[in-house]
Amino acid sequence: DTAVSQTPKYLVTQMGNDKSIKCEQNLGHDTMYWYKQDSKKFLKIMFSYNNKELIINETVPNRFSPKSPDKAHLNLHINSLELGDSAVYFCASSQRGLAKQETQYFGPGTRLLVL
Amino acid sequence: GENVEQHPSTLSVQEGDSAVIKCTYSDSASNYFPWYKQELGKRPQLIIDIRSNVGEKKDQRIAVTLNKTAKHFSLHITETQPEDSAVYFCAASRERKDSNYQLIWGAGTKLIIKP
Repeated sequence: DTAVSQTPKYLVTQMGNDKSIKCEQNLGHDTMYWYKQDSKKFLKIMFSYNNKELIINETVPNRFSPKSPDKAHLNLHINSLELGDSAVYFCASSQRGLAKQETQYFGPGTRLLVL
Repeated sequence: GENVEQHPSTLSVQEGDSAVIKCTYSDSASNYFPWYKQELGKRPQLIIDIRSNVGEKKDQRIAVTLNKTAKHFSLHITETQPEDSAVYFCAASRERKDSNYQLIWGAGTKLIIKP
């Protein structure tokens, strides 16, 4: 009954490779997010989708491409991986209410290490 | 744009003492202020939040205060316990030009509870 799940949990790969991370939420939420957390623990928003529509696209290299096949899934594809991409990537979801302010529920994270 | 500053970056307190973490925000239109706790190797989770129509909110040993005039809000943890050791993030919600809302995150505070 996991609310927000991500796969894989760990990802070790070589520079230059292409990899994908998958996220699924079973909370019925409309909005999903991708965050990058570096070694200094700073949480940086990368993308946000609302009902499959991209609504937040922060300054992220275009090697990163999100894809939302439906509102329960948000995947992240990374091309030509670089050493600096090593981080923990968190998926999150939230539900827009009347107040338009909502709790974000995070997935367990994907620990990416680029060698 | 909105900026959220969080202090201190590291806080070490004796078990049983109180801990206070402070955040300031720049956008006076921000009206929702959540606090997330991230234990080592785990996902961030909401512990308490406050909306701009309230000055203080309490939940057992944790409380949050908001000073809208000064544009700062604080997390207070009393009678600290070892399980309070974690990284704590504050955030402020602002409305974007496209009418979507976005959380702006503080840089995090590592709280260490000394036995």
